[in-house]
Amino acid sequence: AQTVTQSQPEMSVQEAETVTLSCTYDTSESDYYLFWYKQPPSRQMILVIRQEAYKQQNATENRFSVNFQKAAKSFSLKISDSQLGDAAMYFCAYRSLAGNNRKLIWGLGTSLAVNP
Amino acid sequence: DTEVTQTPKHLVMGMTNKKSLKCEQHMGHRAMYWYKQKAKKPPELMFVYSYEKLSINESVPSRFSPECPNSSLLNLHLHALQPEDSALYLCASSRLRTANTEAFFGQGTRLTVV
Repeated sequence: AQTVTQSQPEMSVQEAETVTLSCTYDTSESDYYLFWYKQPPSRQMILVIRQEAYKQQNATENRFSVNFQKAAKSFSLKISDSQLGDAAMYFCAYRSLAGNNRKLIWGLGTSLAVNP
Repeated sequence: DTEVTQTPKHLVMGMTNKKSLKCEQHMGHRAMYWYKQKAKKPPELMFVYSYEKLSINESVPSRFSPECPNSSLLNLHLHALQPEDSALYLCASSRLRTANTEAFFGQGTRLTVV
């Protein structure tokens, strides 16, 4: 069975600085997706970034980028130029591509505070 | 339109009440999901509908009854709930037939059972 581990329950960053959130996972599969979701106090779960396991290139979305190390099963999220609106709970998630599996495997989350 | 709309946003119900949560999306997604989320925890999958048919039930108690009347709507009927069922209930949808299948989430219904 697949598992996702986020080892940092809480983190903080100064506004305009860079922060990296860690995520490791365990799987025996070779094809899968990895996601970072953000959940601010407004409660809506918002997709931040997606990485396909077969792609070697790290995904980037504006100030958000990932460091995907497939052999090490590591998928960290880097937030550059942090903004107050980045304060939220961040969840790392895994989805298998096997069969018709629609289930997301979630990490426990990292609560990010952004200090002005 | 990339929205998943959930109503109501807040709900307080007694243990003998019957209520329903509603979810709507107009993105043409044929997979729809119900999740339960406790504070500071990740979402827990409850049900998955694929092409309006229930495809996954994660051993959810029968006091939760899902319904998918059409491809845009998803309901969760609640009856005889317990206080421990108080949580945020999230609806999500995704495409089914392509590899690009990230889920889009609604803002959730904050349910309190008294």
